[in-house]
Amino acid sequence: AQTVTQSQPEMSVQEAETVTLSCTYDTSESDYYLFWYKQPPSRQMILVIRQEAYKQQNATENRFSVNFQKAAKSFSLKISDSQLGDAAMYFCAYRSAWETSGSRLTFGEGTQLTVNP
Amino acid sequence: GAGVSQSPSNKVTEKGKDVELRCDPISGHTALYWYRQSLGQGLEFLIYFQGNSAPDKSGLPSDRFSAERTGGSVSTLTIQRTQQEDSAVYLCASSFWAGAPGELFFGEGSRLTVL
Repeated sequence: AQTVTQSQPEMSVQEAETVTLSCTYDTSESDYYLFWYKQPPSRQMILVIRQEAYKQQNATENRFSVNFQKAAKSFSLKISDSQLGDAAMYFCAYRSAWETSGSRLTFGEGTQLTVNP
Repeated sequence: GAGVSQSPSNKVTEKGKDVELRCDPISGHTALYWYRQSLGQGLEFLIYFQGNSAPDKSGLPSDRFSAERTGGSVSTLTIQRTQQEDSAVYLCASSFWAGAPGELFFGEGSRLTVL
């Protein structure tokens, strides 16, 4: 079974600075997808960024980018120019490309990000 | 509606009572998922529906938990004889096509508190 580990329960960053959230995963599969989701106090999970394992290029979405190291099974999220609205719980998630249960995601335990003004 | 709608937003019940949680997915989404999020924890998969196929119930923690999806749309998660360890936020998500690596759209969850 796949597992996802987020070793940083809490992180903080100054507004306008850059922060990196760590995620590692364990799988024997070669094809899969990785995601970062954001969960603000409203509880609604929002997709931040997605990475396909077969792509060597790291995904980027505006101020959000990832460092995907397939051999190391590492998938970190970098947030540049942090804003107060970035404060939330961030979850790393894994999905097998061969998952028979559709888009079932396996989540890490989350990292609570605080942005200080 | 524009997004995934869940009700009730909050539910407080006494140990031993049955509860029903409702999820109304985004129109046209064929896949629907239930996840449980315990305090300070990640999301735990419970059950998955795809179209008219038999649901994947492999994540349900006990036979006190059941779910149904009527007409391929609204889903109800039922917890019978609730226990204190059932206290959690229950999140519903839907997606357009389960076979593609599509985005899951989540509701705001139902917070269940069992006294």
